[in-house]
Amino acid sequence: SQKIEQNSEALNIQEGKTATLTCNYTNYSPAYLQWYRQDPGRGPVFLLLIRENEKEKRKERLKVTFDTTLKQSLFHITASQPADSATYLCALDIIRNTGFQKLVFGTGTRLLVSP
Amino acid sequence: NAGVTQTPKFRVLKTGQSMTLLCAQDMNHEYMYWYRQDPGMGLRLIHYSVGEGTTAKGEVPDGYNVSRLKKQNFLLGLESAAPSQTSVYFCASGTSGGSFDTQYFGPGTRLTVL
Repeated sequence: SQKIEQNSEALNIQEGKTATLTCNYTNYSPAYLQWYRQDPGRGPVFLLLIRENEKEKRKERLKVTFDTTLKQSLFHITASQPADSATYLCALDIIRNTGFQKLVFGTGTRLLVSP
Repeated sequence: NAGVTQTPKFRVLKTGQSMTLLCAQDMNHEYMYWYRQDPGMGLRLIHYSVGEGTTAKGEVPDGYNVSRLKKQNFLLGLESAAPSQTSVYFCASGTSGGSFDTQYFGPGTRLTVL
């Protein structure tokens, strides 16, 4: 069956360190993968999108990698700050080659950055 | 530019009651979606719309109906609420023109069914 897995345990790190979050999937062949941030009581907010033919994508302190052989994406936040504390969701598209986007979301990993 | 708004923010229903959740977007997006989010589970797609006047079933459509009479609005209805529908509901919208677009989410509606 199709599955998206994110570490359900919270990730605790110290300010200034690099946070690395993992998204693994099985039985999908997504054309792209997205990462969203969700704060308590709020809706998800888009962060980054990476296509299947891209190995790495960067945006400021954020970096995403996408390994379609391992069926895994890694999400990195460098020089982490307490304000980065949130839940991070990965999402895959499940319809290829259409103009319509249909996403399947992981359960998210909670990141806690302590001062 | 308010983005995606949802009404109401909170609601408590008794089993068997009905209600409608309203989603509005001011970004002229073609695509709109309704999700539910439950603890330990990812966002699950209930229904979606690819344009005004269209609707389609998502992953968990049972017990819900939707309508998209105007491009900017997407309504989610519960005809006879059940405790299993206690959840946080999110509406999202997306631009047209390609499968690499992102989705813009509303703030959510927390629904409790007693």
